[in-house]
Amino acid sequence: KAGVTQTPRYLIKTRGQQVTLSCSPISGHRSVSWYQQTPGQGLQFLFEYFSETQRNKGNFPGRFSGRQFSNSRSEMNVSTLELGDSALYLCASSAGHRTGELFFGEGSRLTVL
Amino acid sequence: QQQVKQSPQSLIVQKGGISIINCAYENTAFDYFPWYQQFPGKGPALLIAIRPDVSEKKEGRFTISFNKSAKQFSLHIMDSQPGDSATYFCAAGQTGANSKLTFGKGITLSVRP
Repeated sequence: KAGVTQTPRYLIKTRGQQVTLSCSPISGHRSVSWYQQTPGQGLQFLFEYFSETQRNKGNFPGRFSGRQFSNSRSEMNVSTLELGDSALYLCASSAGHRTGELFFGEGSRLTVL
Repeated sequence: QQQVKQSPQSLIVQKGGISIINCAYENTAFDYFPWYQQFPGKGPALLIAIRPDVSEKKEGRFTISFNKSAKQFSLHIMDSQPGDSATYFCAAGQTGANSKLTFGKGITLSVRP
């Protein structure tokens, strides 16, 4: 079974630009969640999508948004990039029925200059 | 407000020794406590998890001890090996909140040969 796939793996943007990251979950998993990982803050929850609906949301500004498609693939978008948005963005998939194991991808490393 | 706190911040252990990582949480609604292991360039992977109906869970060389009254849980790695060198995150979740986990900031474990 293929794991969670995230693209792109690395990207560099400048302040004010926007970025879209993509995540393909494990086949059969209907829940996709996104986390931001930084050295100072560890992993912080952004949002979760289940069957194309946002089910949970973390404490991030509205510049961070996401969506999920009917095939469970998900995208997250960050608009008006700031230097502090530089981070590793991790996608995790799960079956979504109960609090349980998350399967993480290798992440998309975003650098904002 | 950091709801899950890990200690120590870093840990160096000799091969064959016992590695102990502690976590404390604040939200008494948490009822799921996983530990994730992350190697450089990889996403976190579930190591072991516990729910508050048991005080200890063991899987191979890894043991979680849980103290509900103290709101603390810990990871013990017996017979530590150089291959255990990684970053370890404790986390806490709440039934019904599904994929929304609150993570500690992580600790880097180095096991010396």
